[in-house]
Amino acid sequence: GAGVSQTPSNKVTEKGKYVELRCDPISGHTALYWYRQSLGQGPEFLIYFQGTGAADDSGLPNDRFFAVRPEGSVSTLKIQRTERGDSAVYLCASSLSISSPLHFGNGTRLTVT
Amino acid sequence: QQPVQSPQAVILREGEDAVINCSSSKALYSVHWYRQKHGEAPVFLMILLKGGEQKGHEKISASFNEKKQQSSLYLTASQLSYSGTYFCGTDSTGNQFYFGTGTSLTVIP
Repeated sequence: GAGVSQTPSNKVTEKGKYVELRCDPISGHTALYWYRQSLGQGPEFLIYFQGTGAADDSGLPNDRFFAVRPEGSVSTLKIQRTERGDSAVYLCASSLSISSPLHFGNGTRLTVT
Repeated sequence: QQPVQSPQAVILREGEDAVINCSSSKALYSVHWYRQKHGEAPVFLMILLKGGEQKGHEKISASFNEKKQQSSLYLTASQLSYSGTYFCGTDSTGNQFYFGTGTSLTVIP
């Protein structure tokens, strides 16, 4: 079946602009995670959804970052007033539950110029 | 909250064995292991659950010491395809899932 899909695969934006990153999880997976990964580092936890609600958003670095999952399926990570330090690969993963394997998308490479 | 892995990097010849360790400062419900190749997304290898249940890959084994909050991944008779960066992931609250610092593994002929 289809895996986790992330769009766009690459996004280049200017400092100060707004961006949206989309994640389409595996059908039936209620758990959805967003991570940010910089070169040579492990994935950094941002937010975890269980169904439609954000069960834990403690990893979001500041109030410029926001994520939604209105119908319990597709999720959008929104970044306002982008900064060069936001440049990274943003990974989305879904799973049946927190004790089940995480299935990752191929990520969105965000570059802020 | 990020688990610490050791070693940071290891180079093996084909056929040699390796052990990668993961240590957390918090009590854990589960430990996951993933492998990531350059430019690709992490791929699931194994889950170890509190209470001893283990789900995963037939050629890779792992242990989970709940009291010490540690896990180890055992790679035996390594193959060239084992090269990549290995991450442990830990769940200590039921809501957050943190990845470790990573271990770069290179297998050479």
